[in-house]
Amino acid sequence: DAGVIQSPRHEVTEMGQEVTLRCKPISGHDYLFWYRQTMMRGLELLIYFNNNVPIDDSGMPEDRFSAKMPNASFSTLKIQPSEPRDSAVYFCASSLKIDRDGYTFGSGTRLTVV
Amino acid sequence: AQSVTQPDIHITVSEGASLELRCNYSYGATPYLFWYVQSPGQGLQLLLKYFSGDTLVQGIKGFEAEFKRSQSSFNLRKPSVHWSDAAEYFCAVEADSWGKLQFGAGTQVVVTP
Repeated sequence: DAGVIQSPRHEVTEMGQEVTLRCKPISGHDYLFWYRQTMMRGLELLIYFNNNVPIDDSGMPEDRFSAKMPNASFSTLKIQPSEPRDSAVYFCASSLKIDRDGYTFGSGTRLTVV
Repeated sequence: AQSVTQPDIHITVSEGASLELRCNYSYGATPYLFWYVQSPGQGLQLLLKYFSGDTLVQGIKGFEAEFKRSQSSFNLRKPSVHWSDAAEYFCAVEADSWGKLQFGAGTQVVVTP
C-alpha cells in the first residue's frame, strides 16, 4: 500500500483565494482525520469521518473551512477565502478502528497564505 | 475529559546516551496509549502502542515504553540514541469510543555529537 497520499505537498496562495487540499486514505480504512499543525498551537484535530460521514467537526476554526468525503478513497479540505493565519501544515490520517493500530499519517501539505 | 501532558518541550541528549521522554495522561478507564515520531518535513509515524497486558512494550527503532497505572504515565525510552533519532515525539491517548486520539504537545529531541 502506498500509504496516505496528500496533495499538493506545498501550496502558496494569496489571501482571499480558495485553497483545496486533497487526501487519499489507505484502502479499507474506515476513519479519516484532518489535522492542522502550527508552532503556536501544535496538532489540532479539525474534523474526522467514519465511513465517509463526518463525526466531529468541532475543531474546524470557522465557516471558511469545509471538508468533504464523497467516497471511501478521497477527501478534501477547502478554505475559502484563505487568510495568512491559515498558514500551517495540514495532515490527513486514516485508521481502521477494529485494528486499534493508531493512525497512518500522510506527509502533509504545507500551506502558505501571503 | 481525556488529556495528555508532555512536560518537556525540548530535550538535548548526546549521541549514545540514554533517552527518556515523559508522558502523563488523564483518563477514566484503561487507556489506549501511543507514541509517534515526526521527523522534519514528515508526517507522524507510529513508534509503539499499549492496549493491555505486559506494561513494557517494544516498538520500532529500538524504542520501548512502560505503562504505569499508579503514576498515570507512559514514558518512552531508548538505551542509546542515534543522530537519526533527532525528531519531535508525540504521546497520544484514545480519547473516545470512535477512536479519536488526543495528542500531547510534543517533545523536541536534539542529538549532539
